[in-house]
Amino acid sequence: AQSVTQPDIHITVSEGASLELRCNYSYGATPYLFWYVQSPGQGLQLLLKYFSGDTLVQGIKGFEAEFKRSQSSFNLRKPSVHWSDAAEYFCAVGEPGGYQKVTFGIGTKLQVIP
Amino acid sequence: DADVTQTPRNRITKTGKRIMLECSQTKGHDRMYWYRQDPGLGLRLIYYSFDVKDINKGEISDGYSVSRQAQAKFSLSLESAIPNQTALYFCATSDHPGRSYEQYFGPGTRLTVT
Repeated sequence: AQSVTQPDIHITVSEGASLELRCNYSYGATPYLFWYVQSPGQGLQLLLKYFSGDTLVQGIKGFEAEFKRSQSSFNLRKPSVHWSDAAEYFCAVGEPGGYQKVTFGIGTKLQVIP
Repeated sequence: DADVTQTPRNRITKTGKRIMLECSQTKGHDRMYWYRQDPGLGLRLIYYSFDVKDINKGEISDGYSVSRQAQAKFSLSLESAIPNQTALYFCATSDHPGRSYEQYFGPGTRLTVT
């Protein structure tokens, strides 16, 4: 069965600093990978996704993520964090084909300090 | 207007009461999902539906039922609410896998069972 691990429950960074959120997955083949963001009081919004091809994917709001098959990782990065990036971030793994099952990680809550 | 709407946004109910959460979408997607979100547990799938005649249990369906009244409407019912069903509930939709795996989320319903 597929699974997702987000090892950091809370992360605090200073505004303007770089950010990396970690995500590791478990799946027998190459999965589909996603990062979603949840702002307070709102639903989840897709930041970016990886299906195949270039392992460095660009998303919205200046985020990017890199798929590393050897490490079973899909870490999210941003070079310079803005206060508006404070939110909860979810990594998810999808099962290609069939039912389209998506499994979410437990989330990483990002706090941005001035 | 929002593509995926949920009503109510907040609800407080008593143990043993029946409650229905409603979801409507204007995206024209066939696939709809119900998740619950609990702190430290991420999102867990309750039920999913591929079309009005195809409804399937997710990983935590006990104590819940659903109804797909139309392509655009998918309701979640708690037949006899209990306190451990207190959570944030999300409805989501997705297009056919051949087009996209992205899931589009509603704003959520915060349910409290006292």
